[in-house]
Amino acid sequence: AQSVTQLDSHVSVSEGTPVLLRCNYSSSYSPSLFWYVQHPNKGLQLLLKYTSAATLVKGINGFEAEFKKSETSFHLTKPSAHMSDAAEYFCVVSEWDDKIIFGKGTRLHILP
Amino acid sequence: DTEVTQTPKHLVMGMTNKKSLKCEQHMGHRAMYWYKQKAKKPPELMFVYSYEKLSINESVPSRFSPECPNSSLLNLHLHALQPEDSALYLCASSPQGDRFSNQPQHFGDGTRLSIL
Repeated sequence: AQSVTQLDSHVSVSEGTPVLLRCNYSSSYSPSLFWYVQHPNKGLQLLLKYTSAATLVKGINGFEAEFKKSETSFHLTKPSAHMSDAAEYFCVVSEWDDKIIFGKGTRLHILP
Repeated sequence: DTEVTQTPKHLVMGMTNKKSLKCEQHMGHRAMYWYKQKAKKPPELMFVYSYEKLSINESVPSRFSPECPNSSLLNLHLHALQPEDSALYLCASSPQGDRFSNQPQHFGDGTRLSIL
């Protein structure tokens, strides 16, 4: 059975410093992995996806994530945080012919 | 701008009312989804339509009734809702049917529903 764990419910960083949002997954087969962002009163927007191609995935707005099979991780990073990055971030895992599973979310706070 | 359009953005209704939520996409996607999202929680899947047929119902109470009139449109009919049904209702779509779950979903901005 598949599952996903976001290791931090809240992360605070100063503007201009690096961002790290952690995600670990459990999957029986080759999973597809996604990161979505949700700003207040908005729907979810896809940041990036991993579907068994390159292990380092680049997304929108300067975000990227690295798939590490040995560590069953798919952490999201950004070199320099911007105030507009303040939002809720969801890590999502899915397997072929199965439903998608959302992590519980990480709230990113950006300090001026 | 989102490519999945949901109306209305806000809805307040009493427990005896009947109302409908509407979702529209013109990306040619063949799978459409309804989610319920409570505050500070991830979305919870309610229904999936694949090629205009209901393929997944996550044991949702019958006071929620989905409908897919065509490949671009998805409705959620509401009747006799309870206060605990107050939430953000999100619609999403993806290019192929639900079994192709390696494809990302495109979300609308949701309808904020309040039950009095």
